[in-house]
Amino acid sequence: GQSLEQPSEVTAVEGAIVQINCTYQTSGFYGLSWYQQHDGGAPTFLSYNGLDGLEETGRFSSFLSRSDSYGYLLLQELQMKDSASYFCAVRFRGSSNTGKLIFGQGTTLQVKP
Amino acid sequence: DTGVSQDPRHKITKRGQNVTFRCDPISEHNRLYWYRQTLGQGPEFLTYFQNEAQLEKSRLLSDRFSAERPKGSFSTLEIQRTEQGDSAMYLCASSPTSGGNNEQFFGPGTRLTVL
Repeated sequence: GQSLEQPSEVTAVEGAIVQINCTYQTSGFYGLSWYQQHDGGAPTFLSYNGLDGLEETGRFSSFLSRSDSYGYLLLQELQMKDSASYFCAVRFRGSSNTGKLIFGQGTTLQVKP
Repeated sequence: DTGVSQDPRHKITKRGQNVTFRCDPISEHNRLYWYRQTLGQGPEFLTYFQNEAQLEKSRLLSDRFSAERPKGSFSTLEIQRTEQGDSAMYLCASSPTSGGNNEQFFGPGTRLTVL
């Protein structure tokens, strides 16, 4: 089976940097994605790592190491609006090649003033 | 608004009733997914359509669940004889067949409460 593990909660102050880790046990996937979900909202795409290494998109960066079965999302210059749940997800490469996403349980980030 | 839309946004029903949800994906997207999300959990994959063909169904999808995408555009998800355990947010997502970052675009979801 496939499973992804993330910390359940992280707290940080405005302006700080926070790293959300994701470890996974799965095989045959295309890459690791990160989604943000505010309370009552839809998941929205943040970043994707198809290859090992660091991807940077504005204040957000994401990293993948397939050899370590590990990735992380790095949020810099935290803002209050960054308070949300963050999910790592692998895009699964199954026999049907559907590209379905397998999600972690999510990390709730609380940003304090 | 050209995003993914879902209808209804909320549905309250009594145990044993049938319910149907609709999803309108982004118009040029031929891949459509249904996920289910319960409180404090990540979305769980239910089923996938490539155009009108349903190519994968999760084991989570019991015989009471059926999904269609008759013309390769909108999709419906029906739950028959609802149970309290069906209470969840039902999310629809779409994506193009090709895409460098593999982004899936999610709709706002339908929150189902089974009394």
